[in-house]
Amino acid sequence: RKEVEQDPGPFNVPEGATVAFNCTYSNSASQSFFWYRQDCRKEPKLLMSVYSSGNEDGRFTAQLNRASQYISLLIRDSKLSDSATYLCVVGGFNAGNMLTFGGGTRLMVKP
Amino acid sequence: NAGVTQTPKFQVLKTGQSMTLQCAQDMNHNSMYWYRQDPGMGLRLIYYSASEGTTDKGEVPNGYNVSRLNKREFSLRLESAAPSQTSVYFCASKEWGQPQHFGDGTRLSIL
Repeated sequence: RKEVEQDPGPFNVPEGATVAFNCTYSNSASQSFFWYRQDCRKEPKLLMSVYSSGNEDGRFTAQLNRASQYISLLIRDSKLSDSATYLCVVGGFNAGNMLTFGGGTRLMVKP
Repeated sequence: NAGVTQTPKFQVLKTGQSMTLQCAQDMNHNSMYWYRQDPGMGLRLIYYSASEGTTDKGEVPNGYNVSRLNKREFSLRLESAAPSQTSVYFCASKEWGQPQHFGDGTRLSIL
């Protein structure tokens, strides 16, 4: 079983739609959680951190369920510019200070 | 503030040639990482340096060596390049418990 699992997609949605991505992680000792965005042939960039109480940044809402070891990202009012791959990322107090990246979920927003 | 800087951005090598990919960060981060990403695939960790003076193997270290030259710089060396090492290479840095920052990548082709 992968440490961080995501549905690879692609999710094809029309502009203005609401879309949700889910992610599960296997290490119950994980302490930090993030969503990254990666555009084609570009470096991953931090979209938002994920906090236990849930958090929102504009059209983006992230939720964390520690009991189920589950993270979600909700995008409201999708824009064409939201088309990208979204990476679920989990970190813990490991010796390497490492983050574990999911394989990504690809989103295509169509006119 | 440049963040994470990688050089070169593009490189073409012949099989058997050697080269060093350079990475420098100006955020005073303790930890640095080298990843590779192949088309349609996720990030794979090659080597990492949790702190200055330490380096450790990641998921796919074979064929590579690294040097943590100082706190700012972490280089990746291919001693004898092989076509299987054609990839996009990303360097990243982070501080404990914080998100990771990526360079914009080195696109390496080996003929």
